[in-house]
Amino acid sequence: DVKVTQSSRYLVKRTGEKVFLECVQDMDHENMFWYRQDPGLGLRLIYFSYDVKMKEKGDIPEGYSVSREKKERFSLILESASTNQTSMYLCASSSQGDQPQHFGDGTRLSIL
Amino acid sequence: SQKIEQNSEALNIQEGKTATLTCNYTNYSPAYLQWYRQDPGRGPVFLLLIRENEKEKRKERLKVTFDTTLKQSLFHITASQPADSATYLCALYSGGYQKVTFGTGTKLQVIP
Repeated sequence: DVKVTQSSRYLVKRTGEKVFLECVQDMDHENMFWYRQDPGLGLRLIYFSYDVKMKEKGDIPEGYSVSREKKERFSLILESASTNQTSMYLCASSSQGDQPQHFGDGTRLSIL
Repeated sequence: SQKIEQNSEALNIQEGKTATLTCNYTNYSPAYLQWYRQDPGRGPVFLLLIRENEKEKRKERLKVTFDTTLKQSLFHITASQPADSATYLCALYSGGYQKVTFGTGTKLQVIP
């Protein structure tokens, strides 16, 4: 069965810290995505990647960066965490752009 | 600008009735439209995909319609059950290397 695994379900960090969120998929999918989900705002795309070492900005990339060194792993980096980055972060993967996305269960990140 | 609208008000229906959820969009020419289900604290799960040249798609108790003239998709759950209670998201994809854009979701509550 398809599986997208996010490294942490809950994470608490302090402002100014560098934060790493990890995501691994076991489906050999080309595409991987990072979203954040906030009440009333829905899922917003931060970054996505169509291939190893490739990345594209989504709708809200400011304050974030990503890394995709291997096909199965896509990391989201908060360079200097701020309180407005407190949110639910969801990783997803798909085989092609028009195919369904498979999501992990999310990381609820709190920045204090 | 592109906009996807789902009814932000929760939808409460009686068990056994048909639930109908709406997804409207503007300034968009989607090639595909997808519906996902999301339970609290979990990532979205793919349910159905419908293409622009398809009028209707069915899967068990689920039915999706897609009207590109009205710029609207309807999602129906027949013989609804309390286990169908969740938030339902629609997502649009324009094709090629374009990203998928999600609506904010509609929360469905099926009352026993």
